[in-house]
Amino acid sequence: DIVMTQSPDSLAVSLGERATINCKSSRSVLYSSNNKNYLTWYQQKAGQPPKLLISWASTRESGVPDRFSGSGSGTDFTLTISSLQAEDVAVYYCQQYYTTPRTFGQGTKVEIK
Amino acid sequence: EVQLVESGGDLVQPGGSLRLSCATSGFTFSIYNMNWVRQAPGKGLEWLAYISSKGSPIYYTDSVKGRFTISRDNAKNSLYLQMNSLRVEDTAVYYCARDKDDVAFDFWGQGTMVTVSS
Repeated sequence: DIVMTQSPDSLAVSLGERATINCKSSRSVLYSSNNKNYLTWYQQKAGQPPKLLISWASTRESGVPDRFSGSGSGTDFTLTISSLQAEDVAVYYCQQYYTTPRTFGQGTKVEIK
Repeated sequence: EVQLVESGGDLVQPGGSLRLSCATSGFTFSIYNMNWVRQAPGKGLEWLAYISSKGSPIYYTDSVKGRFTISRDNAKNSLYLQMNSLRVEDTAVYYCARDKDDVAFDFWGQGTMVTVSS
């Protein structure tokens, strides 16, 4: 199985400041035939199901604010919230879609400082 | 509007069985692959099972293989999860999730709670 490890487990950021979440996979999730990274980011607010933010490591879903961005390739990925808003308080998960089982990271809790 | 509504969660004793359903609307269910994902109280997300649009192939995570069965009825726009030999560690909120072109889970239901306890 591909193990997904996120860091940090939690972070507190001031409103308007940048939040950075890292995700590392135990092996590459870059599919050579199409040069795409099968890495997805979700946001889960308290009491709600997860919401898809970013697929292909860096492609934002329709309606997702552009303060959210994803980067990285191979085994190392980053989710950046460029200017944290109060509504961004949530747990963020990365997931690999390269193979089954489709494993998730353990989650990173983002709070307001 | 895409909607997924899970049902069937309950309190069940260890060793018991339960069948979860996921009723869908707002999209052409028969052309989408589907998944079940669970979340134990206060814990992270765990993918459980995948079923393709036509019912095959099917994949499971090891922890439920041989105990859980995913199925679908395209005529009823519904997804199912038959859970047998339930264990205390199966206690979780169970979500159904639509598969976006084998890339991500783009829509999720609100979840149904399964509690396994004596």
